[in-house]
Order: sequence, then C-alpha cells, then structure tokens
Amino acid sequence: EAGVAQSPRYKIIEKRQSVAFWCNPISGHATLYWYQQILGQGPKLLIQFQNNGVVDDSQLPKDRFSAERLKGVDSTLKIQPAKLEDSAVYLCASSLRPRDSGANVLTFGAGSRLTVL
Amino acid sequence: AQKITQTQPGMFVQEKEAVTLDCTYDTSDPSYGLFWYKQPSSGEMIFLIYQGSYDQQNATEGRYSLNFQKARKSANLVISASQLGDSAMYFCAMRGDFGNEKLTFGTGTRLTIIP
Repeated sequence: EAGVAQSPRYKIIEKRQSVAFWCNPISGHATLYWYQQILGQGPKLLIQFQNNGVVDDSQLPKDRFSAERLKGVDSTLKIQPAKLEDSAVYLCASSLRPRDSGANVLTFGAGSRLTVL
Repeated sequence: AQKITQTQPGMFVQEKEAVTLDCTYDTSDPSYGLFWYKQPSSGEMIFLIYQGSYDQQNATEGRYSLNFQKARKSANLVISASQLGDSAMYFCAMRGDFGNEKLTFGTGTRLTIIP
C-alpha cells in the first residue's frame, strides 16, 4: 500500500511569511496527526483529526497555526505569520483505527522541513 | 499527563553486538501502550515494536525485543546482533487509555553502529 505522502519536502521562508504543508494519509485511515519535530527533540503533537473532525488541538498555537482536513482525507497545515522558532520538521501520520485498544500504529510520512530565516 | 524519558542522548556499539536503549515512562492511565520508532537520517519515523500494558509477555519482532518492567515503569528496547543499518535515532513513545490515544514521544537516542 502507498504510504503517507507529504509535500513539500523542504521549504525556506522569511519570518512573517506564510507557508502551507499538505498531507495525504494512507487510504482508509480514519485518524490523521500533525507533529512538529524541532531539531534534537522528539515529535510533539500539534493536532489530531478523526475523519474530518478535530480530536485534539491543545498544543496548536492557534494564533498562527491552522489545519483542516477536508472530506476526511487530505489535510493541510498552515503557518501565518511564521516565526524563527517554527523552524522544524512537520510530520504527518495516520492510523487505521482511532480507538483501537491495541497497537493503533501510526504510519508517518517523510516530513516537511521548514526553515524560517 | 504522560511523560517519556530517554536518558541516553547517544550510544556507540560495535557491529554484531547487542544493544539496549533505555526508556522510562510515567502515566496515570490504567491502560496504555508503549512503542519504539526508528528515525534514520532520511527523516521518516519507522515503527519497530509495540507493548500493551496488559500484555503477559514481552514483545518481540525479529531482532527487536522490548524489555517491559511494569513495576519499574521501564520499556527498554533490545536490538540483537546490531547491523550498520541500525544507525539512526530511536524514539520511545506512549499511547494513553481510551480517549487519550495520541503518542507522546521521548527525546530520542542516537545509535551509531561501528564496523
């Protein structure tokens, strides 16, 4: 099966500019996640979708970050305006069964690396 | 709140030797899951192994095994017969109980296999 697709792989912008990242999850996966991974740290959850509804966005800086998942498939994550501290890799992941008491393994995309100058 | 602690920022291991990567966790959820992911330099997170908190036996997947000690709240990853391709960042992560399924990650351990 095809994996989680993300684009662009790399993006360089100046502070106060805007940027958008796109994610296409594995077909049939109900749950989609956006994680932020700052260099030298583990990934941190920004937002979790169940189909096209938001389950958890408690760590999303809502003054500058927004995300949507239209029709419960693709998702976009937008940053506007960007700050220097937003430089990170943005990882998209999806999982098949959102409330599985078992493994509920997340499959990750390759990530989108953002550099803010 | 959930917390994952990985105290080894980096490790160097000779090829073909076994290596243990440490992970301790903290949670108030009665049921939870523990995961290990590998992140090579390409950046993609690769799932390695899963352990449920009520699983009776320690999980194994090929050369990977998880040494789960519930009372000590530890979930160490053991890689047997290490290979050069094992060089990567390794992250321990935890999923909480029903309604708290998001993964919380540790800070990772960079493993380097020496030929």
